Amino acid sequence: NAGVTQTPKFQVLKTGQSMTLQCAQDMNHEYMSWYRQDPGMGLRLIHYSVGAGITDQGEVPNGYNVSRSTTEDFPLRLLSAAPSQTSVYFCASRRDQGPTEAFFGQGTRLTVV
Amino acid sequence: AQTVTQSQPEMSVQEAETVTLSCTYDTSESDYYLFWYKQPPSRQMILVIRQEAYKQQNATENRFSVNFQKAAKSFSLKISDSQLGDAAMYFCAYRPRSGYALNFGKGTSLLVTP
Repeated sequence: NAGVTQTPKFQVLKTGQSMTLQCAQDMNHEYMSWYRQDPGMGLRLIHYSVGAGITDQGEVPNGYNVSRSTTEDFPLRLLSAAPSQTSVYFCASRRDQGPTEAFFGQGTRLTVV
Repeated sequence: AQTVTQSQPEMSVQEAETVTLSCTYDTSESDYYLFWYKQPPSRQMILVIRQEAYKQQNATENRFSVNFQKAAKSFSLKISDSQLGDAAMYFCAYRPRSGYALNFGKGTSLLVTP
């Protein structure tokens, strides 16, 4: 039972570097989302997807890109990392529009220096 | 825009006692879902309990129950017989039925003392 798998768990980047946070789920869920968690701010939505080929912006999308070429994978790309992107990133998935549980990955702690 | 407010940044409870965490939300929707998630130091997000807005009965999961007041837009979490393992950050979250992702509050850090 893998659920939602995020890699890496920890990452340090230099300002200006790019990287991709990976997210994969094996539950055949249509809905996937990326959140960032900052102290005292809760979790804020970055981008989401309602199925392969369909993505949209959330509350804090600037500096991030996503794509969804398969149902299973939903990578988050940082094109040019900035210190303001230091955060913990969570990927989540859920089955449908009902009151179904959102399953979360274990998070990626990203530090940009 | 929908907002979720958790007015208690920190709460403390003694083992075996009862504690209530507050959550209010603002929405113009009539059909929506509310959730409480627990985040222990491991960072894993764990669903504690969920409530559907059109159900008047308050949800209950073992020692966890909610007080859902739709007119007041209030959704508090009651933890009975608190245990040391309940110590965690608790997040209240909202999603309209037509929505695509969760809207979280800022969280309440719960400390459980022996």
